[in-house]
Amino acid sequence: EVQLVQSGAEVKKPGESLKISCKGSGYSFTSYWIGWVRQMPGKGLEWMGIIYPGDSDTRYSPSFQGQVTISADKSISTAYLQWSSLKASDTAMYYCARGDGWHFPFDYWGQGTLVTVSS
Amino acid sequence: DIQLTQSPSFLSASVGDRVTITCRASQGISSYLAWYQQKPGKAPKLLIYAASTLQSGVPSRFSGSGSGTEFTLTISSLQPEDFATYYCQQLNSSWTFGQGTKVEIK
Repeated sequence: EVQLVQSGAEVKKPGESLKISCKGSGYSFTSYWIGWVRQMPGKGLEWMGIIYPGDSDTRYSPSFQGQVTISADKSISTAYLQWSSLKASDTAMYYCARGDGWHFPFDYWGQGTLVTVSS
Repeated sequence: DIQLTQSPSFLSASVGDRVTITCRASQGISSYLAWYQQKPGKAPKLLIYAASTLQSGVPSRFSGSGSGTEFTLTISSLQPEDFATYYCQQLNSSWTFGQGTKVEIK
């Protein structure tokens, strides 16, 4: 069974750093892309970026380029989304999702990680 | 960047109604379009990809059509479990989403 299991909710202060994770199982982790999607409170879905764990090829939405870093450790089948300096506006639910490559949708999703940034 | 515009943003319907949601792309995307359903507090669920291909396990009352710049998601007979928010996503270049359509009970 394909599963993406994300790390737990986080509460952080502005300016702090954070790295959240997404662990894949039940499939070949290095053969599929992992995308990250933001959903701010009461708002829609925003694609942030995507990584191919097989070779760490990474693409970012222009809206998120330079704001976050996406990485993966294929030895433990885990993808990451990280911030070096959080802002209150980063408060949101973050989802990881699996994709089969260019032109393919996200067929499996993680349960989401809620990040709250507040002083 | 390709922009997606869904209409309507909100619709009120009754059980048994036929419901149609439209997604327009700012430039042609061939058939590289997917539709998702999201219920409150849950991750999105893939319904349709390649504009009209039903994802495995999705009820046949859901259907998709279109190509180029205009696409539709149709629910032939709305069921209680279909009240949710629906998003389109273009897969031609990057993976951007439309703004969503919330389907509520009339």
